[in-house]
Amino acid sequence: GENVEQHPSTLSVQEGDSAVIKCTYSDSASNYFPWYKQELGKRPQLIIDIRSNVGEKKDQRIAVTLNKTAKHFSLHITETQPEDSAVYFCAALKGGYSTLTFGKGTMLLVSP
Amino acid sequence: GAVVSQHPSRVICKSGTSVKIECRSLDFQATTMFWYRQFPKQSLMLMATSNEGSKATYEQGVEKDKFLINHASLTLSTLTVTSAHPEDSSFYICSAQKESGGNNQPQHFGDGTRLSIL
Repeated sequence: GENVEQHPSTLSVQEGDSAVIKCTYSDSASNYFPWYKQELGKRPQLIIDIRSNVGEKKDQRIAVTLNKTAKHFSLHITETQPEDSAVYFCAALKGGYSTLTFGKGTMLLVSP
Repeated sequence: GAVVSQHPSRVICKSGTSVKIECRSLDFQATTMFWYRQFPKQSLMLMATSNEGSKATYEQGVEKDKFLINHASLTLSTLTVTSAHPEDSSFYICSAQKESGGNNQPQHFGDGTRLSIL
């Protein structure tokens, strides 16, 4: 089955800095990679996703890159703000109604 | 939009009680819904995949007789934790995927149910 590794487990940055979270996956058949943000005690919210036919996608301060050859994808947050503080999960999916495999999460703390 | 409603949000009950959690897709049809369990400071662990009109598919190590899943319609799946014990205390979250030809649609999560068994 699929295995998703996520690093780092915790990340502390100063407001305004950039934050990068990296994930690797094991199944080369995986072709959909969403990122979720989860605040304490709340639901995971989809913040950005990328499909395997593109290498990069950007939405305002958030971008995701995908390297299919190396089987890794990364989340980039620029100009971080305190409200970006949360746990971020990457995930991989093989397609159709296959199940998502989640990384273990990264706790991002943005200090004012 | 893609709104998923989950109820109840919080349950506190005595050991031995059975607890039912509902997951509804409010503005879309979901052939497939998923049930996750999340322990504090940990990732989401898939428990089972719920398919409308058929039996759920359980992940390895998840007792199907303990966690009963019913997906009676395209907008409703229920998870019943039978004879719950303190070790079943956790955060249970459902998600639903839009019915759209199965072409990598994102999963949308409910608000979760915090279950505490005394």
